[in-house]
Amino acid sequence: NAGVTQTPKFRILKIGQSMTLQCTQDMNHNYMYWYRQDPGMGLKLIYYSVGAGITDKGEVPNGYNVSRSTTEDFPLRLELAAPSQTSVYFCASSLGTGGDWVTEAFFGQGTRLTVV
Amino acid sequence: KQEVTQIPAALSVPEGENLVLNCSFTDSAIYNLQWFRQDPGKGLTSLLLIQSSQREQTSGRLNASLDKSSGRSTLYIAASQPGDSATYLCAGKYSGAGSYQLTFGKGTKLSVIP
Repeated sequence: NAGVTQTPKFRILKIGQSMTLQCTQDMNHNYMYWYRQDPGMGLKLIYYSVGAGITDKGEVPNGYNVSRSTTEDFPLRLELAAPSQTSVYFCASSLGTGGDWVTEAFFGQGTRLTVV
Repeated sequence: KQEVTQIPAALSVPEGENLVLNCSFTDSAIYNLQWFRQDPGKGLTSLLLIQSSQREQTSGRLNASLDKSSGRSTLYIAASQPGDSATYLCAGKYSGAGSYQLTFGKGTKLSVIP
């Protein structure tokens, strides 16, 4: 079972460069999320999507953009990378958010990004 | 604002010991609470999900409880093994505004000493 797959696993960017972090899930989940994890901090939500064509900002969206053209894919775009975006990025998915049994979240293995 | 707190930040125990990890949350309007395990340099693995209508969930040597009235959840690990060494994260999902996201604690780093 593939679950949630993120690419790349590691990346080093120079200040001002752009890149896209890829995320795909094969569980037919409606909800997808991007979190970032900084040392000593809890995970913070960047963006989320409730279905294809629908996205919205989370807690820390500045400097990022997302799109959701299919159920499976939810790429995260960094424009004009800054050192403050050095972090570990996690993509997650869940079937939905209504009803107890559908809300378990599954996470990818993460992308470790360094901006120098 | 909902907050999730995990104390202690780190815990070291000898192999074979039973242990409890603590998670506290500030808002009783919690919808469910999920416990995750994170190994160094890896992603999050879901361990247990407790719904607000439940008091506990069990999986193998793991037992998680949820007490909404006191704002606490615990993860009990029986007969700990060195392979249990990892960081354990709890995360709450709340009803109402912000129900789309999980609010995470900062984690407890567990070391089980052989």
